[in-house]
Amino acid sequence: EPEVTQTPSHQVTQMGQEVILRCVPISNHLYFYWYRQILGQKVEFLVSFYNNEISEKSEIFDDQFSVERPDGSNFTLKIRSTKLEDSAMYFCASSGDSYSNQPQHFGDGTRLSIL
Amino acid sequence: AQTVTQSQPEMSVQEAETVTLSCTYDTSESNYYLFWYKQPPSRQMILVIRQEAYKQQNATENRFSVNFQKAAKSFSLKISDSQLGDTAMYFCAFTKGYGQNFVFGPGTRLSVLP
Repeated sequence: EPEVTQTPSHQVTQMGQEVILRCVPISNHLYFYWYRQILGQKVEFLVSFYNNEISEKSEIFDDQFSVERPDGSNFTLKIRSTKLEDSAMYFCASSGDSYSNQPQHFGDGTRLSIL
Repeated sequence: AQTVTQSQPEMSVQEAETVTLSCTYDTSESNYYLFWYKQPPSRQMILVIRQEAYKQQNATENRFSVNFQKAAKSFSLKISDSQLGDTAMYFCAFTKGYGQNFVFGPGTRLSVLP
């Protein structure tokens, strides 16, 4: 079964540095998402992306965050100037459209640790 | 805005027994989709089961089944013949439709005891 892949599995970064988290969604999916899970807390929606633009974003997704689909396969989340509170598990997900009736498939996540 | 509530932060069950995890949600939408995801210690998010709100029949997937009560906005997960590998965090999730973001509940930590 096709999978969403995320790299790296664990990223350690100094506070204030930029970090890019990478995702390869399932190839025929049209919608892409980023979620965040702070340790011990629930999974929170960050942003969704469709047709090469952001379709929805949460209050968490402020100006320090950006997303990009630089080519036909990758979907990236960039955090410009990381803060300690950005330490979390970041999940990428993708889904087809309503006609394909497919739920979101999640990647295995990237554990981001800010020092 | 939609909200999802899971009132049981932690539960335990003996191996081979049956356990039910509860989930309630709040929405004004008439059609939507509900899911249960499992998150083992490895922290992957694994789809367990899904339910379309327009379907009256409760979804089942092998040992997993749901009790979907649309009027009560309740969506409980029943795990039959619990196995040690079922030990995980279980999240209930709501979405208005495919292509829409998920709203997750806070999770229930399930421990299956030998």
